[in-house]
Amino acid sequence: GAVVSQHPSRVICKSGTSVKIECRSLDFQATTMFWYRQFPKKSLMLMATSNEGSKATYEQGVEKDKFLINHASLTLSTLTVTSAHPEDSSFYICSARDIYRQGLIDTQYFGPGTRLTVL
Amino acid sequence: GIQVEQSPPDLILQEGANSTLRCNFSDSVNNLQWFHQNPWGQLINLFYIPSGTKQNGRLSATTVATERYSLLYISSSQTTDSGVYFCAVWLSGQNFVFGPGTRLSVLP
Repeated sequence: GAVVSQHPSRVICKSGTSVKIECRSLDFQATTMFWYRQFPKKSLMLMATSNEGSKATYEQGVEKDKFLINHASLTLSTLTVTSAHPEDSSFYICSARDIYRQGLIDTQYFGPGTRLTVL
Repeated sequence: GIQVEQSPPDLILQEGANSTLRCNFSDSVNNLQWFHQNPWGQLINLFYIPSGTKQNGRLSATTVATERYSLLYISSSQTTDSGVYFCAVWLSGQNFVFGPGTRLSVLP
């Protein structure tokens, strides 16, 4: 149980285009999903927290107009990188918190990541 | 905010060797987890261990919450153990704080 998928796993795009990344919780419902960014040989950096049915909460320094997050259902959150530029190239990882496991382990389950390359 | 340190930053082992990875954190937390990030980027849950000791095969972990550190032991290492090991700490309901990771390379 507690599987999170991401699509696509890898994307290459031209500078100026927009790219959408999907994050799905496959076998549980998640009111909260998280988006992380990871640079080569670095740790995960939280970009934003996505709550179902409400606006995302962005971490300091993350441009909300550049990284659009939508959490339309309890099993799907999307990250759209708008007008992508080479400096947006990175590994993007989503995670989901399982709300129904209250009283058990309060943890996050991570997707396999999406590698974005902007030419 | 909470600061997390991990040591060593890099570790190279010969297959079959044992190792200990350390995670120090600056404030009291009630959750701690160890992850292995494989070469393809997937984060794999190893242990949820806010306190005490757990073992799973060749891996074991110990957290001493009162002294704000956790240890991950890898015995009889294999090449498939290569990757980056992260610890993350958090207060219930709040965001994870990841350490910088330990990059492990196990040579055949």
